[in-house]
Amino acid sequence: ETGVTQTPRHLVMGMTNKKSLKCEQHLGHNAMYWYKQSAKKPLELMFVYSLEERVENNSVPSRFSPECPNSSHLFLHLHTLQPEDSALYLCASSQGTRDYNEQFFGPGTRLTVL
Amino acid sequence: GESVGLHLPTLSVQEGDNSIINCAYSNSASDYFIWYKQESGKGPQFIIDIRSNMDKRQGQRVTVLLNKTVKHLSLQIAATQPGDSAVYFCAEPLIFGAGTRLFVKA
Repeated sequence: ETGVTQTPRHLVMGMTNKKSLKCEQHLGHNAMYWYKQSAKKPLELMFVYSLEERVENNSVPSRFSPECPNSSHLFLHLHTLQPEDSALYLCASSQGTRDYNEQFFGPGTRLTVL
Repeated sequence: GESVGLHLPTLSVQEGDNSIINCAYSNSASDYFIWYKQESGKGPQFIIDIRSNMDKRQGQRVTVLLNKTVKHLSLQIAATQPGDSAVYFCAEPLIFGAGTRLFVKA
């Protein structure tokens, strides 16, 4: 148990659906992250939030929309996704984005887009 | 651009032997590195980190070596156990390598 939870753990959706992924951290951290993990590819950083403000957006398509209502919760809203968006989506948190901070990862949401 | 990569996609070792997993990075200004372990069905988990002002750091059964001259770091696992079977990533710290899958043979 890392202190970072993600729901749902598995999600299957059609290309016209709208769904949301949820992440919650119980560690009192100030920074939260979304990563995409595809087969045989490195983890890809999608978004970084620090103190509820987005500080990094790595050229992610607009069909992915993050939301950080407070420092403990992070959402990823999905709409009109493509089959190539199928992947494991990992949420992480850390004490801060600067200095030397390890990240604590949730178990991920396995997303399949049909 | 920046990249963090691993030399081998898979590594198979006998239980009890030492394992060495390698990683190369391209950004000479990088000053902090982390090794993560990812088991099946779980997110990456922190193993050990190292700052650029060090060339070696030891943890419990793990050692990380950093060679800034050739921009290379390695993770050494002593007396590898079946529970060590996983994918290992180096990270810099938000840029991840592709990962090395470690298989431990009993």
